Amino acid sequence: AQSVSQHNHHVILSEAASLELGCNYSYGGTVNLFWYVQYPGQHLQLLLKYFSGDPLVKGIKGFEAEFIKSKFSFNLRKPSVQWSDTAEYFCAVNTGGGNKLTFGTGTQLKVEL
Amino acid sequence: NAGVTQTPKFQVLKTGQSMTLQCAQDMNHNSMYWYRQDPGMGLRLIYYSASEGTTDKGEVPNGYNVSRLNKREFSLRLESAAPSQTSVYFCASISILRIEAFFGQGTRLTVV
Repeated sequence: AQSVSQHNHHVILSEAASLELGCNYSYGGTVNLFWYVQYPGQHLQLLLKYFSGDPLVKGIKGFEAEFIKSKFSFNLRKPSVQWSDTAEYFCAVNTGGGNKLTFGTGTQLKVEL
Repeated sequence: NAGVTQTPKFQVLKTGQSMTLQCAQDMNHNSMYWYRQDPGMGLRLIYYSASEGTTDKGEVPNGYNVSRLNKREFSLRLESAAPSQTSVYFCASISILRIEAFFGQGTRLTVV
């Protein structure tokens, strides 16, 4: 069965610092990978997704993620975070175009002024 | 352009009471899902419906039942609520073509 690991549970950064959130998945076949963001009190929204092709994926609000197949990883990055990026970030995996999305446990990001 | 609509947004139940969480989507998606979100545990799949007329158990189905009433609606029922079911519940529908999930606003349920 597919699973997703997010090792950073809480991250605190100052504005303008660079961000990298780790995501590893366990599945040997074809995967579709996602990052979702949940702002305080809101529902989850899609940040970016990878299906195939260029392993460096760019999403909304300056976020990007790199799929490294050999490492089973899909880390999220942003060169310079803003206070408004304070949110919880979830990595998710779908295998082979099936019906299920499996989520990681989430990373709570707090950006301080 | 409503997307996924969940009701209610908040609910407090006493142990043993029952209730149904409603979810409707207007995007013509075949697949719909119910997740619960608990601190430090991410989103865990309770039940899902790949298409109208079908339902399947997810990771944490115990204590819940679902009904896929039609293509638009997918309800989640707690027959006898327990404090362990205190959580935030999210309904989602998924575009199989884009494999993108669209979430409702969530239901914050407290069982006392």
